[in-house]
Amino acid sequence: AQRVTQPEKLLSVFKGAPVELKCNYSYSGSPELFWYVQYSRQRLQLLLRHISRESIKGFTADLNKGETSFHLKKPFAQEEDSAMYYCALNRKAGAQKLVFGQGTRLTINP
Amino acid sequence: NAGVTQTPKFRILKIGQSMTLQCTQDMNHNYMYWYRQDPGMGLKLIYYSVGAGITDKGEVPNGYNVSRSTTEDFPLRLELAAPSQTSVYFCASSYGGGGNTIYFGEGSWLTVV
Repeated sequence: AQRVTQPEKLLSVFKGAPVELKCNYSYSGSPELFWYVQYSRQRLQLLLRHISRESIKGFTADLNKGETSFHLKKPFAQEEDSAMYYCALNRKAGAQKLVFGQGTRLTINP
Repeated sequence: NAGVTQTPKFRILKIGQSMTLQCTQDMNHNYMYWYRQDPGMGLKLIYYSVGAGITDKGEVPNGYNVSRSTTEDFPLRLELAAPSQTSVYFCASSYGGGGNTIYFGEGSWLTVV
């Protein structure tokens, strides 16, 4: 069965410190992984996807198939990074039936 | 740009009542989705549609019905509300499947008492 686990419900770091939000998944095939973010009073929106291998707002995420992980990282946290972050998994074929993790609330302290 | 619009934003229902959550999108997207999010949990897919006239069940469809008569609209119907359906409901849409970006609505907070 597909499953996404985000082990940390809450994560608090100081501004300028590195950030790593953990995501582990279970899936028998070759998945697509995403990170979604919800800032305060805003809609849930796509942050990045593994297939793009891009950096968005200084965040990167590398798919590690051996460890079945897709951790989100940023070298220097900024206060505007405070938000709720969700890791999500999708099978490649057909409609995007995303499976979401529980989410991690990231707080950046000044 | 409106994007994905859901109504109502908040609703309190009594057990056994019925209601429809409305969802419309103005991006001409083929794919539409309904998710629910219980407190402290991730989003779970209720139903989805890949085009007008085509709907299919997601992970948690029991207690819900959907229809897709137009490309723009994808209403979610709760027939006999139960406390277990207290949740935040999100409608979403995407142009296609696979890696296409999904756009979410603002959410609808539903409480069943």
